This record gives sequence, C-alpha cells and structure tokens, in this order.
Amino acid sequence: NAGVTQTPKFRVLKTGQSMTLLCAQDMNHEYMYWYRQDPGMGLRLIHYSVGEGTTAKGEVPDGYNVSRLKKQNFLLGLESAAPSQTSVYFCASRRDPRGGRARYNEQFFGPGTRLTVL
Amino acid sequence: KQEVTQIPAALSVPEGENLVLNCSFTDSAIYNLQWFRQDPGKGLTSLLLIQSSQREQTSGRLNASLDKSSGRSTLYIAASQPGDSATYLCAVEARGAGSYQLTFGKGTKLSVIP
Repeated sequence: NAGVTQTPKFRVLKTGQSMTLLCAQDMNHEYMYWYRQDPGMGLRLIHYSVGEGTTAKGEVPDGYNVSRLKKQNFLLGLESAAPSQTSVYFCASRRDPRGGRARYNEQFFGPGTRLTVL
Repeated sequence: KQEVTQIPAALSVPEGENLVLNCSFTDSAIYNLQWFRQDPGKGLTSLLLIQSSQREQTSGRLNASLDKSSGRSTLYIAASQPGDSATYLCAVEARGAGSYQLTFGKGTKLSVIP
C-alpha cells in the first residue's frame, strides 16, 4: 500500500495563478483532511471531508476550495494564489471514526507539498 | 477553543539520555491525544495514540502518558539516539464542536548529540 500520496511535491506560482493539489489514499478511508503548516503557527486545518461528495470548512478555509468526487481522492484548489498562501500543505486520512472503538483510530499523513507564491 | 502548547520549543540532549517532552491542552473534553514525529522536509508519522480513557501507551522506547483532568501529556523517550532527532508534535481531538478534527501544538524540535 502506498498510503497517502500527494501531487506535486513542489510548486512555484505567481500571484493570481491557480492550481490544484491532489491527495490520494489507498486505505479506503472515509475521512480526509487538508492542513497547512507555517513556521511558528503549527498545522492548521483548511478543509475536510467525511465521505465522497461531502466537504466542510476547517480553521483557515478562505482562499481555498476542495472537492471529493471519488472516495480515494481529495483535491485542494487555489483559484487566485496569494503570497500568504506560501506554505507546506499536508493531506491526511482516517477510517470513519463514528461509533464504537473506531472512535480512536489515528490519522495518516502524506509527505506534503511545498508551495511558494511569488 | 482548544489550544495545545508544547514546551520546550527545542531541546538538545547527549546520546543515551532519557528525556521528556511536554504537551498541555486547555479543554479536557477530548477523545484522544496523538503524538507524531516529523523529520525535516517530510510528513508526519504517528507514534502513539492515547484514548481519553487511557493513562498511557508504550511503543518500544517511547511511552506517552495522559492526565486528562490536568490537561497534560508527556512523551518519554528512553536511551535517546541520534536517529531520534526530529520535531515531535502533539495533537488532541476534542469532543463536541471540532469533533473528528485534530488541534496541533507547534512542536518540540529534538536534537540528540552523538
């Protein structure tokens, strides 16, 4: 199993350009998450999904959109990139935590995408 | 709003020393607490997950404890090795609003000197 993979690994954008980050998982996990990690700020949740076709906002959703058309994929889009979106982006997934002992399963993380917006 | 604090921000120890990393959180209504390791330029690797009903979890040289009432967790690393050098992150999953989501601390950067 590849686990959680992210594409691309690195990207440089100019202000105003758009791009999509792809996250894929092969563990049949229901829940998926997008985080950003900035120096001195820790990891912050951007958006998450509790299943195919569903998405929800996290702590810092502004400037980002997401889609979960297939269970194994979670896409993060930047419509008009800004320098403030320079960051490392991580995707994570987990089994459905609802009900019983499934409540206590862990999140698995991808290797990250380093994005620079000039 | 749940806040997670990790002290110290950085720690340097000689090889072979036992050490403790600290994590505190402001809201004790949690489902679980998870410790991660992050190597430079890499993703997060889950080390230990402690359920809210548990007091500790062990994996090899690692032992994590949880005192939910006081809002504290510690990660104990025995007989440290240079390969343990990394940033260690603590994260809690709260009950209620924000459920199923993790709130992270900013991490402790550990350097083990040979």
